[in-house]
Amino acid sequence: DAKTTQPTSMDCAEGRAANLPCNHSTISGNEYVYWYRQIHSQGPQYIIHGLKNNETNEMASLIITEDRKSSTLILPHATLRDTAVYYCIVRVNDYKLSFGAGTTVTVRA
Amino acid sequence: DAGVTQSPTHLIKTRGQQVTLRCSPKSGHDTVSWYQQALGQGPQFIFQYYEEEERQRGNFPDRFSGHQFPNYSSELNVNALLLGDSALYLCASSFLDGTGPSGYTFGSGTRLTVV
Repeated sequence: DAKTTQPTSMDCAEGRAANLPCNHSTISGNEYVYWYRQIHSQGPQYIIHGLKNNETNEMASLIITEDRKSSTLILPHATLRDTAVYYCIVRVNDYKLSFGAGTTVTVRA
Repeated sequence: DAGVTQSPTHLIKTRGQQVTLRCSPKSGHDTVSWYQQALGQGPQFIFQYYEEEERQRGNFPDRFSGHQFPNYSSELNVNALLLGDSALYLCASSFLDGTGPSGYTFGSGTRLTVV
């Protein structure tokens, strides 16, 4: 699977948008970009995934650059409950998720 | 609708012992994956079961084995426990290969401590 690079940590003000970057410069044409998050003491939670087009659901938006070498997860209005470790995963058409270290996001009041 | 259920939530074992962890998948899901998460690290894939067969395996020794039952529930067995096996063990379920609109659903895990 292609490797991803994410910042180690970032802070965000409550009520503001949180923009989480992810670099995946070696991504292949058939590899999807997935985002999961893990709140302390819980299992990872699926957020969103995409291949080429931008995607939006009730939790977040995913913006993938045209060359697909990077993406950004956007939490439109961050709340304290969004404090978590966020994982960007590039997945080929197999079955496992390869988690990196992720980005620790802290939402501050 | 219950999500993924794992038992027990916490467990303490002695080196050399054997342990069995259990997982009930989310309703409607037929595939179960197991992950190991050491403190401060991301989860690492152990294996995945589909139709009662191991479909894919990560880089884990044969001491780690599993089983999937006809009702789709699953067990993870670890033999000859080492101190390094201390971790959070996560079960994830999905329909087929997890590329559906909700991806994989994870349980809250079993915290295993080997002393």
